[in-house]
Parts: sequence; structure tokens; C-alpha cells
Amino acid sequence: KAGVTQTPRYLIKTRGQQVTLSCSPISGHRSVSWYQQTPGQGLQFLFEYFSETQRNKGNFPGRFSGRQFSNSRSEMNVSTLELGDSALYLCASAPGLDDTGELFFGEGSRLTVL
Amino acid sequence: QKEVEQDPGPLSVPEGAIVSLNCTYSNSAFQYFMWYRQYSRKGPELLMYTYSSGNKEDGRFTAQVDKSSKYISLFIRDSQPSDSATYLCAMSARYSGYALNFGKGTSLLVTP
Repeated sequence: KAGVTQTPRYLIKTRGQQVTLSCSPISGHRSVSWYQQTPGQGLQFLFEYFSETQRNKGNFPGRFSGRQFSNSRSEMNVSTLELGDSALYLCASAPGLDDTGELFFGEGSRLTVL
Repeated sequence: QKEVEQDPGPLSVPEGAIVSLNCTYSNSAFQYFMWYRQYSRKGPELLMYTYSSGNKEDGRFTAQVDKSSKYISLFIRDSQPSDSATYLCAMSARYSGYALNFGKGTSLLVTP
């Protein structure tokens, strides 16, 4: 069974640009969550989508947005990039039928903002 | 103050040692407690999952939750060099879905 796939794995952007990251969940999983991981703050919850609807949202500015498609694939977008947005962005999937918190993570997309 | 506190280490132990990793938390609403392991340049993988208080054992790993003290632990017996990784505790409240609160992780090195 294929795991969670994230693309691109690495990318470099400059301040003010925008970026879109993609995530393909494990087959059959309907929930996709996004997390930001930085050395200073650790892993922080961005948002979660289930059946194309945002079900939960973390404490991030509106520059961070996401969406989920009918095949459960998800994208997240960050507009007007800032230096502090440099981080590893992790996508995680789950069946989504309960709220036990058992997540399956991808390897992440490492974003560097110059 | 973060809701979940975890000593970042690094923690270095010889092969075969018993490792103890800990987290404290402040939110009494947390009911689901997890330990994830993250190897360098990889995403976290779930190691142990516990609901509410108590112990859970899986092979060389034992997770303990003490809700009265707001303290959780992960014990690794007979540690191996392959256990060298960052260990992240995570927890969530009922009905918060997959909005997990993570500790910053403890870096563990097991030397042969």
C-alpha cells in the first residue's frame, strides 16, 4: 500500500512569492492534515480537510490556505511568502472516521524562502 | 508557555540501555496521547497510541500516561542503534480531530 506522497520535496522561493504544495493521501483515507515543522516551534497544526471540507484550522494567518479534491488529494498554498515561512511542511492522512489522532505522515516538502 | 513541553536533549545512551523519554502538558482536556518517531529527513511515524491514563506495551516500547500529573512517558528497552531518531510526543482533546499538539521532540542517539 503506497504511503502519503508529497510534492515537491524541496523548493526555494523568494519573499513575496506564493507557493503551492501537493499531497496524495493513502488510498482510502479521506482526511488530510497539514503541519508546519520548524526548529523553533516544532510541529504546528495548520488545517485538516475531510471530504473536501475544512474541518479544523490552526492558528496561522490567512496567507495559509488549503483545499481538498474529490479524490482526497490536497493542496496547500502560502501567499506573500515571508522569511519565517521557511519550514518543512508535512501532510498526514487518516481514514477520518474517528478522531483518535492516529496520523500517517508523508516525508514533507522543505520550503526555503530567501 | 506551550501546552506540551518536551526536553529536546540530545540524549545519548549505549546500546542495550533502557531509555526514558518524557513530556508534560498543561491542558487537562487532552485524552489521546501518542509517540511519534522521526528519522532525519523523514516524516514522523506513529509508535504508540494511548487513550486516557494507563500503560501500553508493544514489543520493546512501553507508553505510560499519568493524567493526574499531566505527564507521559515512553520507555525503550534494549535500545538499538536503529532507535536513534527524534521522538515526538503528541496529544489531543476529544473532538479536536487531527489537530494534534506536539512536543518539540527529543533527539536520541544509541551508540554501539
